[in-house]
Amino acid sequence: SQQGEEDPQALSIQEGENATMNCSYKTSINNLQWYRQNSGRGLVHLILIRSNEREKHSGRLRVTLDTSKKSSSLLITASRAADTASYFCATDAWIQGAQKLVFGQGTRLTINP
Amino acid sequence: KAGVTQTPRYLIKTRGQQVTLSCSPISGHRSVSWYQQTPGQGLQFLFEYFSETQRNKGNFPGRFSGRQFSNSRSEMNVSTLELGDSALYLCASSLTSGVFEEQFFGPGTRLTVL
Repeated sequence: SQQGEEDPQALSIQEGENATMNCSYKTSINNLQWYRQNSGRGLVHLILIRSNEREKHSGRLRVTLDTSKKSSSLLITASRAADTASYFCATDAWIQGAQKLVFGQGTRLTINP
Repeated sequence: KAGVTQTPRYLIKTRGQQVTLSCSPISGHRSVSWYQQTPGQGLQFLFEYFSETQRNKGNFPGRFSGRQFSNSRSEMNVSTLELGDSALYLCASSLTSGVFEEQFFGPGTRLTVL
């Protein structure tokens, strides 16, 4: 099963509203990253938050990390149509003796004008 | 600074054939990782190369292989293609390791196996 799992799987909101996506993971991590993917294209890095950080901001993005609950959230404030995309969290995980980056299944965000 | 480039962008092959995909990382980046993305399995890690050495490998059969050249460009090869290999193949580069730092993704190669 996936190391990271996003919730909800799909989210549809009106332009201008805030969007919150959550990510849960199973094992201890060193860092957690959020990426955005526009339909069928490459991923774009949004934020990296380290395990000793609790919150990080970048423009309209706010990421929180709760290592005790093994969860993270991504908040996009004042959403725009251009924010329509899939959002993935990615965590480092030890798998078969090596540390790898594991992506969740993603949250598909739709911003309605 | 030029971004990560992948060639070809689209590819159609038939079962049993083999395919080679190419990835040119951002100048100065020494780590290149490959991912397979399908609707059913999502984004799955294939392997990571650093300074011409495979550093990590995902849980894929031996039909999937790769290599990295001295200029950090990387190729991925899939032999004896199966229908289930149809996917978007993404490569990503980073300075030292995609596990611990931001990765820059290419636009992907969409492979269709008929």
